[in-house]
Amino acid sequence: AQKVTQAQTEISVVEKEDVTLDCVYETRDTTYYLFWYKQPPSGELVFLIRRNSFDEQNEISGRYSWNFQKSTSSFNFTITASQVVDSAVYFCALRVYSGGYQKVTFGIGTKLQVIP
Amino acid sequence: DGGITQSPKYLFRKEGQNVTLSCEQNLNHDAMYWYRQDPGQGLRLIYYSQIVNDFQKGDIAEGYSVSREKKESFPLTVTSAQKNPTAFYLCASSLQGGVYEQYFGPGTRLTVT
Repeated sequence: AQKVTQAQTEISVVEKEDVTLDCVYETRDTTYYLFWYKQPPSGELVFLIRRNSFDEQNEISGRYSWNFQKSTSSFNFTITASQVVDSAVYFCALRVYSGGYQKVTFGIGTKLQVIP
Repeated sequence: DGGITQSPKYLFRKEGQNVTLSCEQNLNHDAMYWYRQDPGQGLRLIYYSQIVNDFQKGDIAEGYSVSREKKESFPLTVTSAQKNPTAFYLCASSLQGGVYEQYFGPGTRLTVT
């Protein structure tokens, strides 16, 4: 069984603060893929990043950074110097794919509010 | 512009009626998906299709049906058998394979009274 846990349902920060969104996953598969998506108020999910289970290298993209640790089954997302435009719901997702079978599991999302 | 279109954005139906939600993509993606989103819950997979004329049930397929007659189109029918149809429905597509990210449409908010 697969599971994605985003324990923080809502976070509020003041603009320019750093914020980390947590994601913990469970799977028995050794090959899997992790994703982060952003859902602004308009509703459409936007892809942010993917990681495969064999690549634990952390990544930084502008103000965004991701920390993938297999030892703790975590794939956390940090926004540095948050801005009002970062206000959205952020989803972590786990995907397993093997031939004709695939399983995608999303966390319940973390709603981030950045206060000006 | 490549992308996914879903129509309409808001849909209202009376209980007991079937309703079909439209999803079209021009990204040339083989795989397409339907998700349901409820307040306080993540996205739950209803159906997915990896190729034309083939589709698989997701976690919550009961009360829903789909077809995939064309690569570009993956309509979802919410039948009267779906006990709680009021929700936000999202369609997505991707290239084949687990490594690829999904591209999402703007969603359809269905209200059944």
